[in-house]
Amino acid sequence: DTEVTQTPKHLVMGMTNKKSLKCEQHMGHRAMYWYKQKAKKPPELMFVYSYEKLSINESVPSRFSPECPNSSLLNLHLHALQPEDSALYLCASSQEAALTSGANVLTFGAGSRLTVL
Amino acid sequence: AQSVTQLDSQVPVFEEAPVELRCNYSSSVSVYLFWYVQYPNQGLQLLLKYLSGSTLVKGINGFEAEFNKSQTSFHLRKPSVHISDTAEYFCAVSDLIGTNAGKSTFGDGTTLTVKP
Repeated sequence: DTEVTQTPKHLVMGMTNKKSLKCEQHMGHRAMYWYKQKAKKPPELMFVYSYEKLSINESVPSRFSPECPNSSLLNLHLHALQPEDSALYLCASSQEAALTSGANVLTFGAGSRLTVL
Repeated sequence: AQSVTQLDSQVPVFEEAPVELRCNYSSSVSVYLFWYVQYPNQGLQLLLKYLSGSTLVKGINGFEAEFNKSQTSFHLRKPSVHISDTAEYFCAVSDLIGTNAGKSTFGDGTTLTVKP
């Protein structure tokens, strides 16, 4: 299994809703990432987990809350989002633990497209 | 801090023509370099990577790239493109060591449009 699976593919939510994005990989990768991508822009790093521990938080607002229940799963909990948070949210994983090796080849999921009304 | 500059935001080309997508980087330490492709409504997929060794790197779908340390460049090439190569291409750099090791920095992307 060489895939990163993200659900849901599309999500529409209001500013008062609470929702979650889910990501799963079964490649035995040690690091998992959340990226945010706006249209026609590169991915922006949000969070990195290494060995199920949060190792990087790129000053992301607290309305985004990551969770890594086990080595295969990564969640992103969403609460009180703003319309400007509408974007494609990409999950990725890498075999090496983040920040220990520069040779982190990222395997990306197809993304969850979020629209905040 | 590391940075990546993709010199062309859009590259239109006819089918079966050669193409080069340009990428320059800067970093205070040695780096690893990557090219990723993103097809519409999909995530990014690794095309090729330079970690060490030969400076000419071959990837999937007939793409190759050459690492030039003196010019700090990592340009992507394909001798003959197909319609299916139409996509967004991202160059990325990751420091070998230091506080940014493992954090890939992406360029702004190049939109390759292959016309029939």
